Amino acid sequence: GQNIDQPTEMTATEGAIVQINCTYQTSGFNGLFWYQQHAGEAPTFLSYNVLDGLEEKGRFSSFLSRSKGYSYLLLKELQMKDSASYLCAVRADPTNAGKSTFGDGTTLTVKP
Amino acid sequence: DAEITQSPRHKITETGRQVTLACHQTWNHNNMFWYRQDLGHGLRLIHYSYGVQDTNKGEVSDGYSVSRSNTEDLPLTLESAASSQTSVYFCASSGPGQGATEAFFGQGTRLTVV
Repeated sequence: GQNIDQPTEMTATEGAIVQINCTYQTSGFNGLFWYQQHAGEAPTFLSYNVLDGLEEKGRFSSFLSRSKGYSYLLLKELQMKDSASYLCAVRADPTNAGKSTFGDGTTLTVKP
Repeated sequence: DAEITQSPRHKITETGRQVTLACHQTWNHNNMFWYRQDLGHGLRLIHYSYGVQDTNKGEVSDGYSVSRSNTEDLPLTLESAASSQTSVYFCASSGPGQGATEAFFGQGTRLTVV
């Protein structure tokens, strides 16, 4: 079976740093994705980790520990436009990226 | 630019009717997927396809069917719409192989069954 847990909601202040955690228990593992989804819009890709460690991309970083079944998404220098839902997704099938199991998402609210 | 489009964007239908949601991609991707997203929840996989004439069931496939007659399109059919199928439906596509690091999503179809 597949189980992915994320906090339901988080609030942070503009300019601050926020860390969104994701823990997973899946029957297989071939990569972890983070997607951003603004209200009423489609998910868009943020990051991908398949090996342990930190991947940095501008203001966004993602970390993975496979032995702990744990990942986090770090957002720095928060902006109001970062208010969105952040979806953690685990790929068990190595042949393609779309067949992933998603967590319920973390709704981040950025306040002035 | 390549894209993935869904139609219609909004649909209201009656219980028991057959409904088809369209998905068209110009990425030339082999892999296509249908997810549903209910309020406050993540995406759940309905059906997926790895290529022409290939279709597979996802975790919530009951009451849905798909067909893949060409690379570009994966229509989703609700055989007999039920109120429990009121949801937002997202189509996605991705390239093959471990080098594929992301799925591209359509803008979604909001379906209401009354």
